[in-house]
Amino acid sequence: GEDVEQSLFLSVREGDSSVINCTYTDSSSTYLYWYKQEPGAGLQLLTYIFSNMDMKQDQRLTVLLNKKDKHLSLRIADTQTGDSAIYFCAERDDKIIFGKGTRLHILP
Amino acid sequence: EPEVTQTPSHQVTQMGQEVILRCVPISNHLYFYWYRQILGQKVEFLVSFYNNEISEKSEIFDDQFSVERPDGSNFTLKIRSTKLEDSAMYFCAAEDVPAGGLNEQFFGPGTRLTVL
Repeated sequence: GEDVEQSLFLSVREGDSSVINCTYTDSSSTYLYWYKQEPGAGLQLLTYIFSNMDMKQDQRLTVLLNKKDKHLSLRIADTQTGDSAIYFCAERDDKIIFGKGTRLHILP
Repeated sequence: EPEVTQTPSHQVTQMGQEVILRCVPISNHLYFYWYRQILGQKVEFLVSFYNNEISEKSEIFDDQFSVERPDGSNFTLKIRSTKLEDSAMYFCAAEDVPAGGLNEQFFGPGTRLTVL
């Protein structure tokens, strides 16, 4: 069945780049997403990539997609304290399939 | 920016009791979803709802669960006889066009259900 895997924790120093990695199984997924969840809040769509793209950049965010390896990554440049959150990788064909989420912790 | 709201934010109930979780979607959205996240586990799809009918449901969504949109605004998830394993964060989401395209599902902040 469909599955999305990602590491659970990442600690990064403020100002450094954060890279969150994800693997997925469903090669028919049309879109791949990154959602952000801040404490007490819902899931916010952070960015997405269409399955026929291999890279997308949006300000401090860079999404890389390797379709052959079914590997997706999210790079956050110049990580700030406000980036502290849980980041969910997700794939979508019809419904959204989420990973467990990576908790990003920012070190001073 | 319009948002999806959910009530209550936290519900505590005894095993075997019925609970109703409420969601107020964005007004022009037509597609509604419930997801849940058991602590430490993945966010899992439960059910999608369109035109007053269930469009798709997962294996989790058994006969103990039901959804409805009784008054054209609130979208509810009912669990008839709660079990300990129903303890989770329940997220409602709303979308304005059919699934498959990049039309963002807007998520509510979630209801934390604790079954004792």
